[in-house]
Amino acid sequence: DVKVTQSSRYLVKRTGEKVFLECVQDMDHENMFWYRQDPGLGLRLIYFSYDVKMKEKGDIPEGYSVSREKKERFSLILESASTNQTSMYLCASSPPEGMSGQYFGPGTRLTVT
Amino acid sequence: EDQVTQSPEALRLQEGESSSLNCSYTVSGLRGLFWYRQDPGKGPEFLFTLYSAGEEKEKERLKATLTKKESFLHITAPKPEDSATYLCAVGSGGSYIPTFGRGTSLIVHP
Repeated sequence: DVKVTQSSRYLVKRTGEKVFLECVQDMDHENMFWYRQDPGLGLRLIYFSYDVKMKEKGDIPEGYSVSREKKERFSLILESASTNQTSMYLCASSPPEGMSGQYFGPGTRLTVT
Repeated sequence: EDQVTQSPEALRLQEGESSSLNCSYTVSGLRGLFWYRQDPGKGPEFLFTLYSAGEEKEKERLKATLTKKESFLHITAPKPEDSATYLCAVGSGGSYIPTFGRGTSLIVHP
């Protein structure tokens, strides 16, 4: 079974802190994604990566950056956390061939106070 | 621009009462249609991929079907443990990125 793990299930940070969210997948997938999910807004793509050291902006990249130094690991960085970044953050991975469903991690519920 | 609309937004069923969830889509060149189940506070769980009109997939009490304009997720004799939000997404063209619908929240009462 594909497994996508995220570094924390719950995280509380203060405004202005730098926050690192890590995601690891064990299926050798080329594609990895970071989403945030908010009530009434659905899933919104922050960044995605189709290869090591490659990254592309999604729909809402402002205030975020990413890092992909190894194929299995994709990190989301909040440079200076703000209260409007309080959300559920979801990482996903998928194989490159054709179109295939994504495999999601359990999510990180981030609260910025 | 690809669009995905799911209906209804919310659905309440009695245990054993079969029903269907709808996912309507507009895409330029469908590459795949995906169904997910999401439990509260958890990440979506991949259920099915459908690639072409007429295709069907089944898993336990769930059956997904696909036409050229929409997909249905049929739930036969649901149980309370089927309560969840069901998400639909489509992939098109050469994009790596699927477009998601807002989901249908299903509650099955015992």
